[in-house]
Amino acid sequence: DIQMTQSPSSLSASVGDRVTITCRASQSISLYLNWYQQKQGRAPTLLIYSASTLRNGVPSRFSGSGSGTDFTLTISALQPEDFATYYCQQSYTRPFAFGPGTKVDF
Amino acid sequence: EVQLVESGGGLVQPGGSLRLTCAASGFNFRAYAIAWVRQTPRRGLEWVSSIGASGGGTYFADSVRGRFSVSRDNSRNTLYLQMNSLRLDDSAVYFCARDRVGVAVADTLDYWGQGALVTVSS
Repeated sequence: DIQMTQSPSSLSASVGDRVTITCRASQSISLYLNWYQQKQGRAPTLLIYSASTLRNGVPSRFSGSGSGTDFTLTISALQPEDFATYYCQQSYTRPFAFGPGTKVDF
Repeated sequence: EVQLVESGGGLVQPGGSLRLTCAASGFNFRAYAIAWVRQTPRRGLEWVSSIGASGGGTYFADSVRGRFSVSRDNSRNTLYLQMNSLRLDDSAVYFCARDRVGVAVADTLDYWGQGALVTVSS
């Protein structure tokens, strides 16, 4: 099975900061990488799929990059509503594993 | 508006059974593969199972294979997860989630339900 890791596990940031989260797969997954945002007590929401394609309606301050085993989620200027936990997920092969998450807080 | 609503969660003893239901609305249910994903504070998000749009092509994580089954009734816009031989580590919030475009495999999940809590405890 493919294992997903993320770093950091948590980070403290302020409104307006540029935030970068890294995700790594245990083997190459090409561009089959999704990013989700989850707020406390809510279900995850899809932000980015295929490593860099922004889902319709997601603000352009979110961006994704990478291929193979190393991927990055960047928030260019953090907004108050962005404080949440972010998960990567590989969609290359079953089981479609998620990373452990990165919590972004104050 | 796309909606997925889980129900059927609750408290069950180890070895017991439970059936979760996911009621869908706001989209052509029979055209989308659907997944079950569970979440615990310790293990995080775990993809559990998925089923193709027509009801064929069911897949399971190793941790639940042989104990869980998944089915759907496209005439009722409803998905089911039958959980048997439940173990303590099956305790989790269970989400149903729709695949973004896929008919066969639910791997990129664009709409999620609110989740159903399953607690396995004696």
